[in-house]
Amino acid sequence: KQEVTQIPAALSVPEGENLVLNCSFTDSAIYNLQWFRQDPGKGLTSLLLIQSSQREQTSGRLNASLDKSSGRSTLYIAASQPGDSATYLCASHSGAGSYQLTFGKGTKLSVIP
Amino acid sequence: SQTIHQWPATLVQPVGSPLSLECTVEGTSNPNLYWYRQAAGRGLQLLFYSVGIGQISSEVPQNLSASRPQDRQFILSSKKLLLSDSGFYLCAWAEIPGLAVGTSGRTYNEQFFGPGTRLTVL
Repeated sequence: KQEVTQIPAALSVPEGENLVLNCSFTDSAIYNLQWFRQDPGKGLTSLLLIQSSQREQTSGRLNASLDKSSGRSTLYIAASQPGDSATYLCASHSGAGSYQLTFGKGTKLSVIP
Repeated sequence: SQTIHQWPATLVQPVGSPLSLECTVEGTSNPNLYWYRQAAGRGLQLLFYSVGIGQISSEVPQNLSASRPQDRQFILSSKKLLLSDSGFYLCAWAEIPGLAVGTSGRTYNEQFFGPGTRLTVL
């Protein structure tokens, strides 16, 4: 059974700093990995999806990488802003025949002005 | 463009009362639909998914049920709520497998979430 872990559970950084959020998974046979952002009391916003054949995806100040062999993905946020404060969740999708995303518990990011 | 709606946004119900949460998707056809629950201090838990009208798969045995009466409508129900049913309920959709990547500009099986319903059972 796939397990997804995100460490740390919370992170506080000063505005302008570059930062990395970590996601690890136990089963390397993933189909894709998706990163989400969740603001308090809100639904999830899809940020990036990396397919298993890809090593990274970029969107604006965000860059997500995937290393299947080590069971790790990272989300890099450049030049952090207070508006980036939210909980970031990663989720793995385990195959074309599977309909389930397995989520980590998230990293709560606070960017201090 | 595709949008997903959920209602109500918040709900407070007594133990033992019935429940009906609704989710609708616009701008797509024959999507996969999902119900998740997010409880305090826990990750998202998949409750049900549907690959078509009337087709429901349950991931977690419980006193909840789901139905898909129309292509873009997904309903979560309960006959008698328990205290443990409290949580944040999220609906999501995804393109069905087999659609060519790029048909809608989306990557295959990327899931998109609604705004959620906060349920408190007292």
